[in-house]
Amino acid sequence: RKEVEQDPGPFNVPEGATVAFNCTYSNSASQSFFWYRQDCRKEPKLLMSVYSSGNEDGRFTAQLNRASQYISLLIRDSKLSDSATYLCVVGRSQGGKLIFGQGTELSVKP
Amino acid sequence: NAGVMQNPRHLVRRRGQEARLRCSPMKGHSHVYWYRQLPEEGLKFMVYLQKENIIDESGMPKERFSAEFPKEGPSILRIQQVVRGDSAAYFCASSPTGLGRLTYEQYFGPGTRLTVT
Repeated sequence: RKEVEQDPGPFNVPEGATVAFNCTYSNSASQSFFWYRQDCRKEPKLLMSVYSSGNEDGRFTAQLNRASQYISLLIRDSKLSDSATYLCVVGRSQGGKLIFGQGTELSVKP
Repeated sequence: NAGVMQNPRHLVRRRGQEARLRCSPMKGHSHVYWYRQLPEEGLKFMVYLQKENIIDESGMPKERFSAEFPKEGPSILRIQQVVRGDSAAYFCASSPTGLGRLTYEQYFGPGTRLTVT
């Protein structure tokens, strides 16, 4: 079983749609949680850190459920420019290595 | 504030040659990480370094791979006697010094695409 699991997709949605990505992690000692995006296998770019209280940044909302070891990302009013692979990422300790999910591919169509 | 810098961006080596990949962290960052992304696969951690110290090398292959982060200059990932299976994108990331939530966040460089012929 992979330490971080995501639905690989692809998710094909029209512009303006709301799309949700889910992720589960297996190591209960995990301490930090992130969503990154990767375009065409370029460098991953940090989208947002995920906190237990949940956090929002514009059209993006992230949630963390430590009891269920589950992380989610919601994108509202999706844009063409949101097309990318979204990576669920977990860290075990401060300053330590990150464990990446395989990524969920999103394609937003006009 | 320049981001994480990596060079070369593309590197072609014949089987048996050595590959040296360089990474300069963001200003103010003293933690450096190397990750590898094989074709059609996700990113995998290789090694975590601070200046003059290897903190975690649990993801490094046992042979042919080494990494360093000297007191002066960039971090180097060195692959000796490359084989075709080493062809991949190698990404470097850095994170800030100090305490607090922000030190968990890692910022990635553009990567080095290594092709072994």
